[in-house]
Amino acid sequence: ETVLTQSPGTLSFSPGERATLSCRASQSVSSSSLAWYQQTPGQAPRLLIYGTSRRASGIPGRFSGSGSGTDFTLTISRLEPEDFATYYCQQYSSSSWTFGQGTKVEIK
Amino acid sequence: QLQLQESGPGLVKPSETLSLTCTVSGGSISSSSYYWGWIRLPPGKGLEWIGSIFHTGATYYNSSLTSRVTISVDTAANHFSLRLSSVTAADTAVYYCATGGSWFDPWGPGTLVTVSS
Repeated sequence: ETVLTQSPGTLSFSPGERATLSCRASQSVSSSSLAWYQQTPGQAPRLLIYGTSRRASGIPGRFSGSGSGTDFTLTISRLEPEDFATYYCQQYSSSSWTFGQGTKVEIK
Repeated sequence: QLQLQESGPGLVKPSETLSLTCTVSGGSISSSSYYWGWIRLPPGKGLEWIGSIFHTGATYYNSSLTSRVTISVDTAANHFSLRLSSVTAADTAVYYCATGGSWFDPWGPGTLVTVSS
């Protein structure tokens, strides 16, 4: 089973700042099988990025994804008030799906 | 567009079986080439994949839950279901159903299940 590690668990930023979130896999992940989600309290997770770098429908251009192998990154170029939330990476391999433990982006 | 909705009891007693159904609208489970999955969010923790099913009935489970989980599909009713046996307080969570291939989209709104006597 591929374990995804997101660290740190919490990041603090001011609105307008650039945020870079990390996701590290215990073994190599296919670039086509890495996704990112945003979740706010009381809401279902929202797909942001799939296939490492492809934005889902309706996702603003300030969100971007990159990486390969075992290291992947989600970047928010300029944080808007609605971007303060928890972000999860997720991978699929060998008929098994796993999530990272999440990174909470909070207001400084 | 595809929409998913979870339903089932919000309170389950310890040692009993949790049962939830996900009803799909806006598309047919049997004509989809996607997987249909269950994911949960325990309070104060992160998302955990529980298991997934293909419309053919092929199932895939999280290795940490496989002894207690059963996922089934009813193509005639256009829904799929989750059964989790011998529940404890650690199974208290918001349970989501979702669909997709390598990733999940869309998701249902989620339903809170509390395990308590």
